[in-house]
Amino acid sequence: DGGITQSPKYLFRKEGQNVTLSCEQNLNHDAMYWYRQDPGQGLRLIYYSQIVNDFQKGDIAEGYSVSREKKESFPLTVTSAQKNPTAFYLCASSEGGRGVTEAFFGQGTRLTVV
Amino acid sequence: EDQVTQSPEALRLQEGESSSLNCSYTVSGLRGLFWYRQDPGKGPEFLFTLYSAGEEKEKERLKATLTKKESFLHITAPKPEDSATYLCAVPSISSGSARQLTFGSGTQLTVLP
Repeated sequence: DGGITQSPKYLFRKEGQNVTLSCEQNLNHDAMYWYRQDPGQGLRLIYYSQIVNDFQKGDIAEGYSVSREKKESFPLTVTSAQKNPTAFYLCASSEGGRGVTEAFFGQGTRLTVV
Repeated sequence: EDQVTQSPEALRLQEGESSSLNCSYTVSGLRGLFWYRQDPGKGPEFLFTLYSAGEEKEKERLKATLTKKESFLHITAPKPEDSATYLCAVPSISSGSARQLTFGSGTQLTVLP
């Protein structure tokens, strides 16, 4: 089945550690996105990539880094510079191109700082 | 700055009690509006795309409509399984002319049996 796979589902991080969240898609989509969701809030964009080897910062990129070496993969690293990393992280993909088509989401990774 | 506002923040309905959720937006040139359903602890599930004023889309008990300033998600005779958070989003052009989705904060719908 085509879709987006995020792993792990739950992740615990000690303060001062970097952690990497995985996102893989087999939808052959060009565009991929990382969003952060906090309780009672909408989704906020961290980073997005319209094509392999290219990505742009979203609204809240500080303390995060990404790479896009393959079309299928868009991992997100939460660095120790992110002051409040506890949140629900969502990866999405869309066809991209000239317009923005509907995005399809993974099931999310819940990150907790302990 | 592009903005999306959803109301109400929360809505409690009795089973069978129809109602509507609102999504108002301010964007420079609408390029579509998307509705999603999100269950607790899961990723949003795509429901509808609307591209032009007057357009309507239906799926089971849900119907989405679009005007030049807002969209409505009408829920007819809801059932408890319709309980979820409903999100709307619009494409917006960020700096550098790349496109992204701007989301509203959602309406949390609870349907009581």
